[in-house]
Amino acid sequence: EDKVVQSPLSLVVHEGDTVTLNCSYEVTNFRSLLWYKQEKKAPTFLFMLTSSGIEKKSGRLSSILDKKELFSILNITATQTGDSAVYLCAVTSGSARQLTFGSGTQLTVLP
Amino acid sequence: ETGVTQTPRHLVMGMTNKKSLKCEQHLGHNAMYWYKQSAKKPLELMFVYSLEERVENNSVPSRFSPECPNSSHLFLHLHTLQPEDSALYLCASSQDPQGGNTIYFGEGSWLTVV
Repeated sequence: EDKVVQSPLSLVVHEGDTVTLNCSYEVTNFRSLLWYKQEKKAPTFLFMLTSSGIEKKSGRLSSILDKKELFSILNITATQTGDSAVYLCAVTSGSARQLTFGSGTQLTVLP
Repeated sequence: ETGVTQTPRHLVMGMTNKKSLKCEQHLGHNAMYWYKQSAKKPLELMFVYSLEERVENNSVPSRFSPECPNSSHLFLHLHTLQPEDSALYLCASSQDPQGGNTIYFGEGSWLTVV
């Protein structure tokens, strides 16, 4: 059975701090790893990673995948209160119709 | 505006009611999904339709009944639900994948069963 584990489950930081969120996975026939940000509504897409070692960046957010060690990290630098959300990691596998989510990391950024 | 539109956004229903959730995607995708998001649980995949044909049905109780009349529309028919079915129901779509795909979500329908 496919498995995605995120850590930490929750994290509280102050504005300006840098955070690293972790996602490890065990899946059959890995296709891609996706990061989402979920606030009070639906998840919004952040990154899709398919290749090891290639960093994806969007503003203060960046992510990288290690397919040998089966994990990914999401970095957020100079955090702002608007970054407070649940960050979800998901992996597509098999026919890639199957998308398995981790339980998320609840990030709280205090002013 | 996400390209995937769900209605209603909020629904309160009794356990004997019959209601439906509706999803419409404007992205030209050919795969659509229903997910359930309960409090403090990972997102759960319920149903997958590809080219209007159901291809995944993940042990969902029969009180949830999906319908996909065309590649742009997806319904979730609800009947005789239980209070534990209260959750956020998310519709999503993607281009039918071979290889990594990106799934785009609607804003969800908050369901409360009383």
